[in-house]
Amino acid sequence: ETGVTQTPRHLVMGMTNKKSLKCEQHLGHNAMYWYKQSAKKPLELMFVYSLEERVENNSVPSRFSPECPNSSHLFLHLHTLQPEDSALYLCASSQDLWDFEEQYFGPGTRLTVT
Amino acid sequence: AQTVTQSQPEMSVQEAETVTLSCTYDTSESDYYLFWYKQPPSRQMILVIRQEAYKQQNATENRFSVNFQKAAKSFSLKISDSQLGDAAMYFCAYRTDSGGGADGLTFGKGTHLIIQP
Repeated sequence: ETGVTQTPRHLVMGMTNKKSLKCEQHLGHNAMYWYKQSAKKPLELMFVYSLEERVENNSVPSRFSPECPNSSHLFLHLHTLQPEDSALYLCASSQDLWDFEEQYFGPGTRLTVT
Repeated sequence: AQTVTQSQPEMSVQEAETVTLSCTYDTSESDYYLFWYKQPPSRQMILVIRQEAYKQQNATENRFSVNFQKAAKSFSLKISDSQLGDAAMYFCAYRTDSGGGADGLTFGKGTHLIIQP
């Protein structure tokens, strides 16, 4: 256990559905991240939040919409996804945004878009 | 843009032996940080070891050590006395010394390490 939890662990959704992924960290960290892990590809950074403010958006399609209501919670709202969006979505947190900080990862949400 | 290359999709080693996982990276930066993360079958990724580029001394953490060759842009991971619990995907990662951390981590594709009993 890393202190970062994600729900749901598995999600199957149609292309017209709207769903949300939830991440919660119990570590008192100030920075949170969303990564996408696709088969045969490196992890891709999607969003970075520091103290509930978004500091990075890595050219992610607008069908992915992040929300960080407080420093312990991070959401990823999904709507009108495509089959190629099927992947493992990992949430991570770190104490702050310093470059040498260890990131603590959640177990991921396995998303399948049908 | 920075890239991280792990040329070994899969490696296999006998239990108690030593294995080295390779990683190379491409950057024009002089200050940066390198990491090895481990993702066991349970999927929760954890940090194994990290290295600051301005430090010449190779980092070590118990059975894990790195061979950092800055000029060659190489950052290999050596696992000594391999144990069954070491079986996992290993990811090499890079982070620039941006002063703000907003770039996140750039990962390689990973190496699947198999431990033969």
